[in-house]
Amino acid sequence: DIQMTQSPSSLSASVGDRVTITCRASQRINTYLNWYHQKPGKAPNLLIYGASTLQSGVPSRFTGGGSGAVFTLTISSLQPEDFGTYYCQQSHSTPRTFGQGTRVEIK
Amino acid sequence: EVQLVESGGGVIQPGGSLRLSCAASGFTVMTNYMYWVRQAPGQGLECVSVIYRDGATYYADSVKGRFTISRDNSKNTLYLQMNSLRAEDTAVYFCARDRRGITGSTDYYYFDYWGRGTLVTVSS
Repeated sequence: DIQMTQSPSSLSASVGDRVTITCRASQRINTYLNWYHQKPGKAPNLLIYGASTLQSGVPSRFTGGGSGAVFTLTISSLQPEDFGTYYCQQSHSTPRTFGQGTRVEIK
Repeated sequence: EVQLVESGGGVIQPGGSLRLSCAASGFTVMTNYMYWVRQAPGQGLECVSVIYRDGATYYADSVKGRFTISRDNSKNTLYLQMNSLRAEDTAVYFCARDRRGITGSTDYYYFDYWGRGTLVTVSS
């Protein structure tokens, strides 16, 4: 199975800050990388697929980048509603594995 | 409108069985890859099982031989039969659609719709 590792595991930032989360795959996965946002008690919500394509309805402050084995999710200006946990997921092969998550707290 | 609604969760003793259901609307289950994903309390996401368009299935090692994924095309519903349940199976179970999208000339897959989840608690 492809292992996905996110860093940091958690972060605390202020409204308006630029935030970047990194995801590393245990092998090269081209751009078969998705990002999700989950709020407590809710299902995850798709933000980005194909490493950099914004899902319809997702604000443009979210940007995805990278290819091969290293990927990033950047929030250009953190908003109060962005708190929660962010997960990367590889869709290169089965099983679809997730990173362990990055918890984002608003200061 | 696409919707996924899980049901069937509850409290069950170790060794017991449960069947989860995921009723779909707004699309056809049999023309999509459909997943069960679970999340233990305070933990991350784990893909438990998938059923492909051709009916082939896959199971995580943690549930292989104990869980069975299936679908009823006439009811447009996905199922997860869970036997020999263990305490470590305690989790919220989500069903999700693995959508195929095309960007440029590349096919991508991503979980675009999820249910709200159903809680399974295995405890004596």
